[in-house]
Amino acid sequence: AQSVTQLGSHVSVSEGALVLLRCNYSSSVPPYLFWYVQYPNQGLQLLLKYTSAATLVKGINGFEAEFKKSETSFHLTKPSAHMSDAAEYFCAVSDMNTGFQKLVFGTGTRLLVSP
Amino acid sequence: DGGITQSPKYLFRKEGQNVTLSCEQNLNHDAMYWYRQDPGQGLRLIYYSQIVNDFQKGDIAEGYSVSREKKESFPLTVTSAQKNPTAFYLCASSPRTSGSNEQFFGPGTRLTVL
Repeated sequence: AQSVTQLGSHVSVSEGALVLLRCNYSSSVPPYLFWYVQYPNQGLQLLLKYTSAATLVKGINGFEAEFKKSETSFHLTKPSAHMSDAAEYFCAVSDMNTGFQKLVFGTGTRLLVSP
Repeated sequence: DGGITQSPKYLFRKEGQNVTLSCEQNLNHDAMYWYRQDPGQGLRLIYYSQIVNDFQKGDIAEGYSVSREKKESFPLTVTSAQKNPTAFYLCASSPRTSGSNEQFFGPGTRLTVL
């Protein structure tokens, strides 16, 4: 079965610093991968997704992620953190083993941004 | 303005009571989902539905029930059989069941058992 591991439940950066959130996946087939963001007491919003068209995927709010098959990774980056980026981020992989799309989520990484 | 609405935003339940969480979408999506979110555990799938009048159990369906009588609506009932129902509940939808489709999420309902 497909699975996702997010390293680090909390990541702290200063405003203007590089953001790096790690995601490793396990999949028996070429994966579809997603990054979502969640602000407190809100639903999830899609940041970006990988569907095999290009290994470097650009998303909203200046985020991007690179698919590396050899490392089974899909890390999320942003060159310069902004205070408004403080939120929880979830990586997910699409599981079609049941013949129906099921998203398998990681446990999330909370990004803290300090002035 | 298309999207997914969930109501209520906050819900309080006494032990032994059943409660129903509403989820409505006007995106004309075929598939709908219910997730439960607990701190540090990510999202776990409760039930999903591919089409009207059809739904399937997810990973943690015990103590929950759903119906899908209309394409736009997918209500979730938390029954008294659910031993630990306090959590944040998220409803989602997607156009179809292709693996590359993202799911669109509602704003969530926070359920607290008193």
